[in-house]
Amino acid sequence: DTGVSQDPRHKITKRGQNVTFRCDPISEHNRLYWYRQTLGQGPEFLTYFQNEAQLEKSRLLSDRFSAERPKGSFSTLEIQRTEQGDSAMYLCASSGRTSGRIGDNEQFFGPGTRLTVL
Amino acid sequence: AQSVSQHNHHVILSEAASLELGCNYSYGGTVNLFWYVQYPGQHLQLLLKYFSGDPLVKGIKGFEAEFIKSKFSFNLRKPSVQWSDTAEYFCAVNPNTNAGKSTFGDGTTLTVKP
Repeated sequence: DTGVSQDPRHKITKRGQNVTFRCDPISEHNRLYWYRQTLGQGPEFLTYFQNEAQLEKSRLLSDRFSAERPKGSFSTLEIQRTEQGDSAMYLCASSGRTSGRIGDNEQFFGPGTRLTVL
Repeated sequence: AQSVSQHNHHVILSEAASLELGCNYSYGGTVNLFWYVQYPGQHLQLLLKYFSGDPLVKGIKGFEAEFIKSKFSFNLRKPSVQWSDTAEYFCAVNPNTNAGKSTFGDGTTLTVKP
């Protein structure tokens, strides 16, 4: 399967613990996005990488959240000192084949990591 | 900042009924427009997209959408729904730049009764 993969698929943690999620994008994609989705809402943008550079961060991304994409391939999203309000589905998407047109931003989504903070 | 509004939170139809889901966006520049579907227990999948050209775009499974620039709308249609179309549908917009972060609507849950 050459789609976007995310690990783990489910994470249950206690409030105050740190968690880290991993996303492996489609291999030829240079752009990678993190979104958060809560029940009854659409995905909300968190942050975006082009290759290894983090180019944009949402105001939703508090200082407890950090994302990396060290070699321009996989990415990690870490949440420190988790709070119950962090419970959500965390989605990763990738786009941007090197031969793509500017604006050709079809994003391919992974299955998500569902985080439950007790 | 862009925003997306989906008018219907939950739509219930019988099989063979026609479907139209509304989507309006707010953004001052050129946009790319998308409809995604999320079947129960599955991840988001692209139904169709509009980048430029013919404002009537056709997607998978018999879905189509029409971009009306003057109305900032991108409504999704299907002439005859099936039970298997039961899912959540999301409209999304991103600016026609190289960044491409998407703004999503809150989704419409479609239930098709057999």
